[in-house]
Amino acid sequence: DQQVKQNSPSLSVQEGRISILNCDYTNSMFDYFLWYKKYPAEGPTFLISISSIKDKNEDGRFTVFLNKSAKHLSLHIVPSQPGDSAVYFCAASAAYNAGNMLTFGGGTRLMVKP
Amino acid sequence: DVKVTQSSRYLVKRTGEKVFLECVQDMDHENMFWYRQDPGLGLRLIYFSYDVKMKEKGDIPEGYSVSREKKERFSLILESASTNQTSMYLCASSLGRGEGNSPLHFGNGTRLTVT
Repeated sequence: DQQVKQNSPSLSVQEGRISILNCDYTNSMFDYFLWYKKYPAEGPTFLISISSIKDKNEDGRFTVFLNKSAKHLSLHIVPSQPGDSAVYFCAASAAYNAGNMLTFGGGTRLMVKP
Repeated sequence: DVKVTQSSRYLVKRTGEKVFLECVQDMDHENMFWYRQDPGLGLRLIYFSYDVKMKEKGDIPEGYSVSREKKERFSLILESASTNQTSMYLCASSLGRGEGNSPLHFGNGTRLTVT
């Protein structure tokens, strides 16, 4: 059973609007969460992360929100740009896996239309 | 910038062949990982290594083995390739265990097709 789930395989958004990508997890031991972005023919690149001691982390146009009670996190991109079109993966790790062993979700393909 | 290099972008192999996927990182990272990416399943961990000559099974190690003879190089081996191993294979590296939650740095992937 997948411990990290991204229930929307794809999302289409107009340029300039907000993109919201969602992620749910089941393992209560997860305490560190990351988002990766992947363009075709390239490896995933790290985007933003959040520790379980926080409920929000912001980096420019990207904000990640964490709701521990709901075991849910989301990535907000404001404003969305055509260059943001990519597959976004949510990932999680637990303190006992201090070697950075990550569990990934299935990914959401974001398409930002000009 | 960290560079993780995978030796092949595309590979086509026949069923039963022994396949080697090579990965090299240039930032003296202690941790190295092999993932496979399949549509709808995301990235699944095959094997990882915390140090030279050390290896640990990930979530889907069956049909694979690994080798880490040098710190910068981590090889994935398919002993007898099968069609269900057709996939995108991604190598990654990160700082050591004592370095907290450092992000993974990925290579560009090897798309393997087994016919």
